[in-house]
Amino acid sequence: NAGVMQNPRHLVRRRGQEARLRCSPMKGHSHVYWYRQLPEEGLKFMVYLQKENIIDESGMPKERFSAEFPKEGPSILRIQQVVRGDSAAYFCASSPDRPSGNTIYFGEGSWLTVV
Amino acid sequence: SQQGEEDPQALSIQEGENATMNCSYKTSINNLQWYRQNSGRGLVHLILIRSNEREKHSGRLRVTLDTSKKSSSLLITASRAADTASYFCATDTGSARQLTFGSGTQLTVLP
Repeated sequence: NAGVMQNPRHLVRRRGQEARLRCSPMKGHSHVYWYRQLPEEGLKFMVYLQKENIIDESGMPKERFSAEFPKEGPSILRIQQVVRGDSAAYFCASSPDRPSGNTIYFGEGSWLTVV
Repeated sequence: SQQGEEDPQALSIQEGENATMNCSYKTSINNLQWYRQNSGRGLVHLILIRSNEREKHSGRLRVTLDTSKKSSSLLITASRAADTASYFCATDTGSARQLTFGSGTQLTVLP
């Protein structure tokens, strides 16, 4: 049973380009979360999605960042016009049910470097 | 301090010794979870303790929760070099739709 799959694992973008990070949740999981980890820090919540719905995006920057989880296919975290401060590890997680009281399972992360 | 703040920030011990990490938080929680992260890797779930539990064991791991002090501890007994990693606590407040992570404890176990 495959875990949470993220790709690419490593991505290098020049300032001003777009970054697209993909996440396939574990089989049977319909809840997806994106977290960001800056160097030497803990994970910070960005967004929580269910199929075709954004449930909570309170951690998403107001501009340039967007997320979707379509009916078919992986969840996508999109960062437009990247800046150096966007360099971080982006982790996707999934759970079979709502997060409260349940374990969420993390992928291996996507490391974005903006040069 | 933040919700879910670990201490110490860094801990270095000899193989075979026990390692204790602490986590403090500010608001009431539904449960608290501990995760491990090896350098450059994702997070691995270690253990979940609910607010009505005081202690939980899993192999060489022992987690305690004191809701009156709003704190938790993670004890790793008989540590191994392979335990070298960052350890994070994450709190679930029940009403929130997210986990709140601390900044982690970097554990180094020397062979």
